[in-house]
Amino acid sequence: SQQGEEDPQALSIQEGENATMNCSYKTSINNLQWYRQNSGRGLVHLILIRSNEREKHSGRLRVTLDTSKKSSSLLITASRAADTASYFCAPGKSTFGDGTTLTVKP
Amino acid sequence: DTGVSQDPRHKITKRGQNVTFRCDPISEHNRLYWYRQTLGQGPEFLTYFQNEAQLEKSRLLSDRFSAERPKGSFSTLEIQRTEQGDSAMYLCASSLEFGLERTDTQYFGPGTRLTVL
Repeated sequence: SQQGEEDPQALSIQEGENATMNCSYKTSINNLQWYRQNSGRGLVHLILIRSNEREKHSGRLRVTLDTSKKSSSLLITASRAADTASYFCAPGKSTFGDGTTLTVKP
Repeated sequence: DTGVSQDPRHKITKRGQNVTFRCDPISEHNRLYWYRQTLGQGPEFLTYFQNEAQLEKSRLLSDRFSAERPKGSFSTLEIQRTEQGDSAMYLCASSLEFGLERTDTQYFGPGTRLTVL
């Protein structure tokens, strides 16, 4: 089964800036999901985007999906220190990459 | 409902001992997943259940690992003859899947951190 590959591996920004993370995958999918994981805790589901959708919003989150390029991006706007976490994409079932570690400095 | 729970949260054991972890999913969820996660990496899929049936097992799940979900509710993951390489966070997740669309939107527990000395 395939897994997503997140890029960059690590991202450090100042509070208030936007953070963009990318995900690439290899085979066709029905949907793609993004999760967040705070240090030492379980993953929390953030957003699901279906293969027939190109963009989706949820609060300060914006997710895009380009099935022709087999890629997705997660944008967090007006970041906060509480957004510090690892972010994972899951293209299809039960497969995760190594994530992007986001650090938001106050 | 309080979400997915896992017990214990931490387990320290000596090499060669057996350990068993428990996961209680969200009550109406029919699917239950087990993952292993080591530091700096994403969760690695181990196995999942649809109700009480174990539908898929990763090749990572060696003969020393066994999982059960006897009544389609809680699940246990047992590791026999633990090795130092088994030290990791073991995550459980559950989901509700029905109809033709499968989303695999999973709700994770807090994990069980295993340390093998």
